[in-house]
Amino acid sequence: GAGVSQSPRYKVTKRGQDVALRCDPISGHVSLYWYRQALGQGPEFLTYFNYEAQQDKSGLPNDRFSAERPEGSISTLTIQRTEQRDSAMYRCASSLAYGEQYFGPGTRLTVT
Amino acid sequence: GDSVTQMEGPVTLSEEAFLTINCTYTATGYPSLFWYVQYPGEGLQLLLKATKADDKGSNKGFEATYRKETTSFHLEKGSVQVSDSAVYFCALSDDNQGGKLIFGQGTELSVKP
Repeated sequence: GAGVSQSPRYKVTKRGQDVALRCDPISGHVSLYWYRQALGQGPEFLTYFNYEAQQDKSGLPNDRFSAERPEGSISTLTIQRTEQRDSAMYRCASSLAYGEQYFGPGTRLTVT
Repeated sequence: GDSVTQMEGPVTLSEEAFLTINCTYTATGYPSLFWYVQYPGEGLQLLLKATKADDKGSNKGFEATYRKETTSFHLEKGSVQVSDSAVYFCALSDDNQGGKLIFGQGTELSVKP
């Protein structure tokens, strides 16, 4: 079956612009997680949802970052007023409740 | 807070050599432990896991044992292949924290023929 998909795969944006990153989880997966991975580092937790409820946003670095999952399926991570330090790979994962997390291919964000 | 530390890379081995990648963790609860692998140009894939002390996870010839007394989860393989070249990430999750994964920094493995 279809895995986790993310779009766009690559995004180049100018400093100060807003970006929206999309994650389409595996059908039926209750939980959805967002991670950020800097080059040469492991993924770092940002936020997660159970169904449409955002359960933990403790990893969001500041208030420029927000996420939503309004219908309990597709999720959008939005970064406002992007800065060069936001450049990273953004990864989404989905799972059954407390199950194995399946990762998408990631979105490579470059802020120039 | 919880954390994972793994040995730094890159690690370069010849084909059929023995592999060990060290991983230690710090956790307040009773986490589950994982090894993820990222092949070149691909996403993260779960390689193996262990959910309680003394459990051994295994897959594709790789093994790791959950050692509570040493807070370790070292990855081993008896005979590596060129196709094992990848970046390996150790991670933990605690169901009390919603299952979010905490990763180590990754260890790059390069296997030469």
